[in-house]
Amino acid sequence: GAVVSQHPSWVICKSGTSVKIECRSLDFQATTMFWYRQFPKQSLMLMATSNEGSKATYEQGVEKDKFLINHASLTLSTLTVTSAHPEDSSFYICSARIQGWGDQPQHFGDGTRLSIL
Amino acid sequence: DQQVKQNSPSLSVQEGRISILNCDYTNSMFDYFLWYKKYPAEGPTFLISISSIKDKNEDGRFTVFLNKSAKHLSLHIVPSQPGDSAVYFCAASGTSGSRLTFGEGTQLTVNP
Repeated sequence: GAVVSQHPSWVICKSGTSVKIECRSLDFQATTMFWYRQFPKQSLMLMATSNEGSKATYEQGVEKDKFLINHASLTLSTLTVTSAHPEDSSFYICSARIQGWGDQPQHFGDGTRLSIL
Repeated sequence: DQQVKQNSPSLSVQEGRISILNCDYTNSMFDYFLWYKKYPAEGPTFLISISSIKDKNEDGRFTVFLNKSAKHLSLHIVPSQPGDSAVYFCAASGTSGSRLTFGEGTQLTVNP
C-alpha cells in the first residue's frame, strides 16, 4: 500500500527553537499533502493544505507565519514550527493522497510528537 | 461546530462478536466517507471508505454502511479480534481529494 514517511518521530526542544518536520510520499507522487495536529484525547484537526509549487492553504485560526509549510517537490512537504512555545506541544501528522481517478483515501505518516520545554 | 460526531467515546466487545461503531455528520456537502484506525503515537491507518452513491461497502471483516437521509454511517467489524483494539476515527470530505473532517474517535476494546 501507499507509504507516507514522517521524520522525526519525536522532538524535545527548548522554548524559542524552530523545528522542521518532513513528510515524504515514498512510492507515489503527491501534489497535495495535508498537515494535522492532534491534542491528547482529541480529534485530528487540519492545519493546512500543502500544494506543490504554490502557497499552502491554512485553516482558520492557524498562524501561517508560525507554521511555515514548503512543498518543493512532488514527494516532500515540510512543516516548520517557528519559535516554538510549550503551547505548540502536540502530535503533528501529515497525509498525502495518490493522484488518480476515482475516490482515493489519504494515507498518513506516523506522526511527530513535539514537546517544547 | 463539530460537523462529524462520534458520540461513543468507547466501546467494549467480546472476541468473536460484532463491533458496531457509529458516526453522524451534519454537512450535506460531504460525499466521501472514510474510517481510520489509530494506535497511540502512530498515524491513522486507512481501513475502508464509501462514496455517497453507495450505501454499503465491504472489505473482509469490515463493512461500512451509509444512510444519507439520516446523515449516519457505521462501521461493522465481524468477527472482532483483540488486535482490532484501537481508536477508530470516521472522516468525511466534500470530494475524494479534499480536506478531511474527523470525528472525535471511538476507543474500541476487544476482550479475549
